[in-house]
Amino acid sequence: EAEVAQSPRYKITEKSQAVAFWCDPISGHATLYWYRQILGQGPELLVQFQDESVVDDSQLPKDRFSAERLKGVDSTLKIQPAELGDSAMYLCASSPLSGIYNEQFFGPGTRLTVL
Amino acid sequence: AQTVTQSQPEMSVQEAETVTLSCTYDTSENNYYLFWYKQPPSRQMILVIRQEAYKQQNATENRFSVNFQKAAKSFSLKISDSQLGDTAMYFCAGYNAGNMLTFGGGTRLMVKP
Repeated sequence: EAEVAQSPRYKITEKSQAVAFWCDPISGHATLYWYRQILGQGPELLVQFQDESVVDDSQLPKDRFSAERLKGVDSTLKIQPAELGDSAMYLCASSPLSGIYNEQFFGPGTRLTVL
Repeated sequence: AQTVTQSQPEMSVQEAETVTLSCTYDTSENNYYLFWYKQPPSRQMILVIRQEAYKQQNATENRFSVNFQKAAKSFSLKISDSQLGDTAMYFCAGYNAGNMLTFGGGTRLMVKP
């Protein structure tokens, strides 16, 4: 069964360092999402791609976060510099299309700890 | 849904019993979908069940069913014959006008043997 892949699964870094997370969506899925999930809370959308274009990045802290999906397939989320408050689970999800009825398929996430 | 609220941070149920998780939402949309997602410990989130607002019939998926009260903006999840594998965080969610999926704060469900 096709799954969303993410790496690394765990990342520990010191504040002010740069970190990057990678996501490979299910083949053929045009829409890709990055979420941040603070422990004990629901996920919050950071950025949404439709193919290689950003559809929504209104919740992305653009002074330190960047995201790209250059060929419309896999995607990278970067944080530079990392801050203590960035410690969270970063989830990637994909769906065949965008729309209010769409099921999103989630990856296992990357747990980031900033020391 | 612009906002989604889950008022039960934690719940527990005995194996084989029935449990209901609550969710309320707010939206200005006429047509919308609501979802329940399950996030097991250390595993990825998966869709449990989906409900279209225009459908009067409550959605059912095997042991999982919803009680959708549109006027009250309530969308609860009922799990029948609870199993140990149902232990997880459960999130209620809906898309807002900007096509962003908005999640509630989650309910941690523990199924006890």
